[in-house]
Amino acid sequence: DIQMTQSPSTLSASVGDRVTITCRASQSISSWLAWYQQKAGKAPNLLISKASSLQSGVPSRFSGSGSGTEFSLTISSLRPDDFATYYCQQYSSNLPVTFGGGTKVEFK
Amino acid sequence: QVQLQEAGPGLVAPSQTLSLTCTASGGSISSGDYYWSWIRQYPGKGLEWIGYIFYNGVTYYNPSLKSRITISVDTSKNQFSLKMSSVTAADTAMYYCARQIAVAFYFDLWGRGSLVTVSS
Repeated sequence: DIQMTQSPSTLSASVGDRVTITCRASQSISSWLAWYQQKAGKAPNLLISKASSLQSGVPSRFSGSGSGTEFSLTISSLRPDDFATYYCQQYSSNLPVTFGGGTKVEFK
Repeated sequence: QVQLQEAGPGLVAPSQTLSLTCTASGGSISSGDYYWSWIRQYPGKGLEWIGYIFYNGVTYYNPSLKSRITISVDTSKNQFSLKMSSVTAADTAMYYCARQIAVAFYFDLWGRGSLVTVSS
């Protein structure tokens, strides 16, 4: 299985901060990477697919980048609604799909 | 707008079989554009993909669970189901059903989840 490693596991930030979460794959996955946001007590919600394609309705302050084995999710200016846990997921042709361990963005 | 809803017992005894059903509303699961998946999330937050089924019954199971799981579909009821045998406390988790893009493998729609606890 392809291992997905996220860092940091916890990130303390304030409203208005620019935050970046990193996801690393154990082997190349091209751009086959998705990002999800999960709020407490809710299911994950898809933010980005194919490393950088923003889903409809997702605010433009979210952006994704990377290819191969290194990826990042950036929130340009953190809003109160963005405090949540974020997961990456690889979906290369090498099944099974796998998820990163998550990054919790908490209030500083 | 399609919605997914999981249903099943919240408590399962060790060594027994866990059974969950996911019902889709607002759209048909017979679309060739999607796979229908089960994913679980452990109390410590890690996510594990269990497997998927296509509307015609084709399945793929995570090799780590393959020997214990069966996913089935009932298109007449717009439902798909998960059975996991020989459960242990390690199977305690939130179980989600989700819609998976067939030409990619990410999940664009999730159910609200069903918490399953394995305990006597």
